[in-house]
Amino acid sequence: GAGVSQSPSNKVTEKGKDVELRCDPISGHTALYWYRQSLGQGLEFLIYFQGNSAPDKSGLPSDRFSAERTGGSVSTLTIQRTQQEDSAVYLCASSLTSQSNQPQHFGDGTRLSIL
Amino acid sequence: ILNVEQSPQSLHVQEGDSTNFTCSFPSSNFYALHWYRWETAKSPEALFVMTLNGDEKKKGRISATLNTKEGYSYLYIKGSQPEDSATYLCAFRNTGNQFYFGTGTSLTVIP
Repeated sequence: GAGVSQSPSNKVTEKGKDVELRCDPISGHTALYWYRQSLGQGLEFLIYFQGNSAPDKSGLPSDRFSAERTGGSVSTLTIQRTQQEDSAVYLCASSLTSQSNQPQHFGDGTRLSIL
Repeated sequence: ILNVEQSPQSLHVQEGDSTNFTCSFPSSNFYALHWYRWETAKSPEALFVMTLNGDEKKKGRISATLNTKEGYSYLYIKGSQPEDSATYLCAFRNTGNQFYFGTGTSLTVIP
C-alpha cells in the first residue's frame, strides 16, 4: 500500500537486548515523526526528522534511544539495553512537509514488549 | 511539563445526538493544533489541522473551532452515528516543531 509502514508489528525481547524499529514513510514525505504510547498513557513525542536531519532530540527518553534517517526515507529507532519501562507501542508518522498546515499520516505501530 | 488537556475523558451518546469535546493547550509558542480520530486496532487518522486563531473547519458532520489566544479548540459531531465511535485526539504543535498530544476523548455511540 501507499501508507506509512512499520516493522516489525510486534516484538518481544528480553531485558538488556537491543532492538531496532523501522519506519517506511509515504513516498515523497520529507517530515517523519516517532511517538510512543505506554500503557494507559497518551502519545509521547520522541523525535522528528526533516529530511535526514533531526533538529531536536530532547524528546528521546534516555541516551539508550537513538534514531536515524537515511536517504530522506526510511528511519530506524534503536533502543539499546532495553528495560521493562520501554514496553510500549511505538508509532511513526510522516507528513509531506513540516509546514504548519500539514497533517500527519500514521503507521500501525510496533508493539514492543520487554520481558 | 507542557499540558494538553482533553475533556471529557469518555462519552456515551445515543445515535443521532450531537456532541462536542474540548482540547485545551498553552496559548504561547503556538504553531498548529491537530485533531485525529483513532479507532481500535487502526492507526490515527487526521481530521483537521488548524493554524489560525478563529479557524473553523468542517468535514461532513464533524467540525472544529480554534481559539489560540485562550488556548482551546472544540470538536463537534452532529447527529452521531455508531461508526463515529473512536478516540478523538488533539495535538498541540509548538514553534519548535514538537507535538504534545492529549490523552483523548473516547466516544461510544449507542445504536
